[in-house]
Amino acid sequence: AQTVTQSQPEMSVQEAETVTLSCTYDTSENNYYLFWYKQPPSRQMILVIRQEAYKQQNATENRFSVNFQKAAKSFSLKISDSQLGDTAMYFCALFRGTYKYIFGTGTRLKVLA
Amino acid sequence: DAGITQSPRHKVTETGTPVTLRCHQTENHRYMYWYRQDPGHGLRLIHYSYGVKDTDKGEVSDGYSVSRSKTEDFLLTLESATSSQTSVYFCAISGAEGGNTGELFFGEGSRLTVL
Repeated sequence: AQTVTQSQPEMSVQEAETVTLSCTYDTSENNYYLFWYKQPPSRQMILVIRQEAYKQQNATENRFSVNFQKAAKSFSLKISDSQLGDTAMYFCALFRGTYKYIFGTGTRLKVLA
Repeated sequence: DAGITQSPRHKVTETGTPVTLRCHQTENHRYMYWYRQDPGHGLRLIHYSYGVKDTDKGEVSDGYSVSRSKTEDFLLTLESATSSQTSVYFCAISGAEGGNTGELFFGEGSRLTVL
């Protein structure tokens, strides 16, 4: 069975600090994609970052970066210089290249002023 | 932003009544999905479509049906709504130009309350 686990239901971080959100997954596939999506209070789901499993280099998008450990099946998201607008629910997702995506249960992040 | 609209955005209905949620896209993406979002469960796939009139079940399809008669429209129907179907429903699309790079684009969600 393919699963995605986010073990931190809630986290908080001070503005301008760095925070890391954890995600582990399980799949027997060798080729797949991993994503982090952000859902702010507006409810809109927004793509934060994506990682192709065949790429060893960790993906980065401005203040967002990932630590992709393929052997350990770990895909954590690091947010640097946290901003109030980063307050949101964050979902980790696995895409195997078919139609189906597997989502984690989410981590609610609150950035404190 | 991907052109995806869901309607209605909010609906309150009574147990036993039929409900249809509509998802409309202007992006010509091949794949369309309906998810429900509930606290502690994340996003769970209800049904998906890989082309006009081509649909399949997801992990929580009981009590739901879908139809896709045009590329741009994907309808989700609750034949007889129950309180357990109170949720936020998201439509999503992927697969620009017939391929599928994996990124999902989401609608704004539809909050359904079944009394």
